[in-house]
Amino acid sequence: TQLLEQSPQFLSIQEGENLTVYCNSSSVFSSLQWYRQEPGEGPVLLVTVVTGGEVKKLKRLTFQFGDARKDSSLHITAAQPGDTGLYLCAGLNSGYALNFGKGTSLLVTP
Amino acid sequence: SQTIHQWPATLVQPVGSPLSLECTVEGTSNPNLYWYRQAAGRGLQLLFYSVGIGQISSEVPQNLSASRPQDRQFILSSKKLLLSDSGFYLCAWSVGGGADHLRGYTFGSGTRLTVV
Repeated sequence: TQLLEQSPQFLSIQEGENLTVYCNSSSVFSSLQWYRQEPGEGPVLLVTVVTGGEVKKLKRLTFQFGDARKDSSLHITAAQPGDTGLYLCAGLNSGYALNFGKGTSLLVTP
Repeated sequence: SQTIHQWPATLVQPVGSPLSLECTVEGTSNPNLYWYRQAAGRGLQLLFYSVGIGQISSEVPQNLSASRPQDRQFILSSKKLLLSDSGFYLCAWSVGGGADHLRGYTFGSGTRLTVV
């Protein structure tokens, strides 16, 4: 199983601040996905990155896939309380199922 | 449109009792199906996945089993629950075939299981 390390584990910021969370592995992935999960709910897909160096934007969220396809980052500009949640990265392992990192728990306070 | 149903939402069971969690998918055929467990709001641990009726792959040796009696039905079971089986259980589906990982997984709303 290819391990995905996410950092930081916890992040508490105020509304309007910028932040970056990271997803790293020693293995190469054909693609990586980012999900957001709210308490008591299942994760929801935000984005899939496929090409090394790829950058995708989703409103105030910017996702980047590392050139070597071993890591990814998520940058949030001007965070809002609605961004609060658990952010999970996931990549396909040698089998058929996605392998998830442990996540970054983000709290944005007004 | 495709939907996934998972029930019950919460469950409190005594140690040693049996377990049956059910997940059904609508609006698609031959989906890949998955059971994950999540402890204390952290990462997801893959328990089982299935790429077809009657086909089950187990990722972690444990006190649980899974079955897929119909194309869009996935069941997680245990004969005797342990305290360590407590957690948040999530069912998910994806499009079958080699490109499913590009389209992502759709998760159910989960079952919070507490074993007492």
